[in-house]
Amino acid sequence: AQKITQTQPGMFVQEKEAVTLDCTYDTSDPSYGLFWYKQPSSGEMIFLIYQGSYDQQNATEGRYSLNFQKARKSANLVISASQLGDSAMYFCAMREGSVGGNQFYFGTGTSLTVIP
Amino acid sequence: GAVVSQHPSWVICKSGTSVKIECRSLDFQATTMFWYRQFPKQSLMLMATSNEGSKATYEQGVEKDKFLINHASLTLSTLTVTSAHPEDSSFYICSARESDITYEQYFGPGTRLTVT
Repeated sequence: AQKITQTQPGMFVQEKEAVTLDCTYDTSDPSYGLFWYKQPSSGEMIFLIYQGSYDQQNATEGRYSLNFQKARKSANLVISASQLGDSAMYFCAMREGSVGGNQFYFGTGTSLTVIP
Repeated sequence: GAVVSQHPSWVICKSGTSVKIECRSLDFQATTMFWYRQFPKQSLMLMATSNEGSKATYEQGVEKDKFLINHASLTLSTLTVTSAHPEDSSFYICSARESDITYEQYFGPGTRLTVT
């Protein structure tokens, strides 16, 4: 089974609107971490936001927020007030096990295009 | 923030030759470095994990004799693709983690390898 599933290969959003990128995960480990990364066309992976499995509140970082629904095993990324510079590939990732764990799994990514 | 560099950013080599890619943590010491491979429009696939001074741990299906990893110091890891073939052409990305008590890994800008 896929550890990380991103079902939206491509998404479009109007500038200044909000957009939700879906991510579901699969693990039986009670301790895990969820990440979102942005990869522009230059290729660099840019860390956006992190949610730990024991975190009670949804993570937020500026215009990024993570809608963490533990029972559903989903960790959707919400980008508010989209900007043209948000156009990029977005990857959801999971680290299984403790903080120092080395098992990292990436989803297949969602290509986001912001329309002016 | 923590910065990871990679060199070269792109390289073209002939089939049968070897090519070395460097990954450096510029402003922190990295206890663990990771090497990923990414094919066009696909996700990142972890190739190996390396800790300073010890042998790298390779993921299943990754040929350790073909992809030589050396983590010589706390700020430098190298990936050498030996006897390269056209199918080795890919985008190689390294990441580094400052310690085992932090969750975040910092990514390098990637190296695009083309084997002719």
